[in-house]
Amino acid sequence: EVQVVESGGGLVQPGRSLRLSCAASGFRFDYYAMHWLRQAPGKGLEWVSGISWNSGDIRYADSVKGRLTISRDNAKNSLYLQMNSLRAEDTALYYCAKDMGGDILTGYALDYWGQGTLVTVSS
Amino acid sequence: DFQLTQSPSFLSASVGDRVTITCRASQGITNYLAWYQQRPGKAPKLLIYAASTLQSGVPSRFSGSGSGTEFTLTIRSLQPEDFATYYCQQLIIYPPYTFGQGTKLEIK
Repeated sequence: EVQVVESGGGLVQPGRSLRLSCAASGFRFDYYAMHWLRQAPGKGLEWVSGISWNSGDIRYADSVKGRLTISRDNAKNSLYLQMNSLRAEDTALYYCAKDMGGDILTGYALDYWGQGTLVTVSS
Repeated sequence: DFQLTQSPSFLSASVGDRVTITCRASQGITNYLAWYQQRPGKAPKLLIYAASTLQSGVPSRFSGSGSGTEFTLTIRSLQPEDFATYYCQQLIIYPPYTFGQGTKLEIK
């Protein structure tokens, strides 16, 4: 059974850092691209960042470029999101999602999502 | 800038009804479009990919169609568990992985 489980969320002050993790199981993690997406309270879905199977292609939404860094460890079946210089507008439920393909922007959808980890940025 | 416009934003229907949700792209995306369902408090679930391919395990009352700039999600014979929010997503144009604003399907 495919599973992706996020962790690492919490309450953090503006300007501080947080690192999210996503543990994957039930599929060949090193075959597939992975993504982070988020959903602010009561709002729609927003793609944040994606990374190809071999970390060779990494993309970010303009809203997070320069502050958030995606990475993966295929040996540990894990995806990460390092979040620096956090702002109030980063407050959201952050989802980890598996791509149906190995590369970014090849037209494949996101077929498995975790339940999310909540990040609240507030003083 | 690329935009994905979903309509309607809200939809009220009854069990057994047939409903259609539309997603319009500001430029052509061939068939690189997916549809997701999100129930309250739950993660999004992939329903349709490549505009019209049903994801494994998704009931056949869901169907998708369209190409280029106009796409539709149709649910025939609504079931109680179908009342949720639906999102379209494009998978090929920059900015990447844009979502529509969502359609909340409520019970009449």
